[in-house]
Amino acid sequence: AAGVIQSPRHLIKEKRETATLKCYPIPRHDTVYWYQQGPGQDPQFLISFYEKMQSDKGSIPDRFSAQQFSDYHSELNMSSLELGDSALYFCASSSGAEDTEAFFGQGTRLTVV
Amino acid sequence: AQTVTQSQPEMSVQEAETVTLSCTYDTSESNYYLFWYKQPPSRQMILVIRQEAYKQQNATENRFSVNFQKAAKSFSLKISDSQLGDTAMYFCAFMTPPWGRALVFGKGTRLSVIA
Repeated sequence: AAGVIQSPRHLIKEKRETATLKCYPIPRHDTVYWYQQGPGQDPQFLISFYEKMQSDKGSIPDRFSAQQFSDYHSELNMSSLELGDSALYFCASSSGAEDTEAFFGQGTRLTVV
Repeated sequence: AQTVTQSQPEMSVQEAETVTLSCTYDTSESNYYLFWYKQPPSRQMILVIRQEAYKQQNATENRFSVNFQKAAKSFSLKISDSQLGDTAMYFCAFMTPPWGRALVFGKGTRLSVIA
């Protein structure tokens, strides 16, 4: 079965640079979530989208922005990167219409040096 | 605000034995979902089991079952016949509908299955 696809899998950036993370949800899923997981921590919710509109917002820094496109894929844009942004970034998708829970992608490991 | 508490940072169990992971939550909502996710060393987040609050029957998925006590706001996970592949971090998570709302995670329990 198709899963959530995230790209890239690994990313190394320098401080103050920008990064763009991409997420392709499971086909027919209309909802996308972004989470940040630091080393040894639980996942922290950043933001979610339902049918291309922002659905819920968590502890997303103002330096980050995200959107969901017409084909339901989503991108997380991160600017003015800081060392503390180094983490595993998960995307998850679900279907409100089909009442399915959130399935997670394999994550993008971002390292800021 | 909803909170999820996992009071056991680490646990270990012998292969083929049974282990129970604890989770409590706090909410004023009456309708919600509860989940257990597994995160093995690969760090992939894998859904183990799901429970709807309106269902009185405890969810079961093969060797995994839950004990859902709504009044006590408790949601424990029982793993029977533990296998080495069950070694992972286990996160309890909570969500209120509709889909699109944030999943709130506990801090996790690191489970080691010993041969």
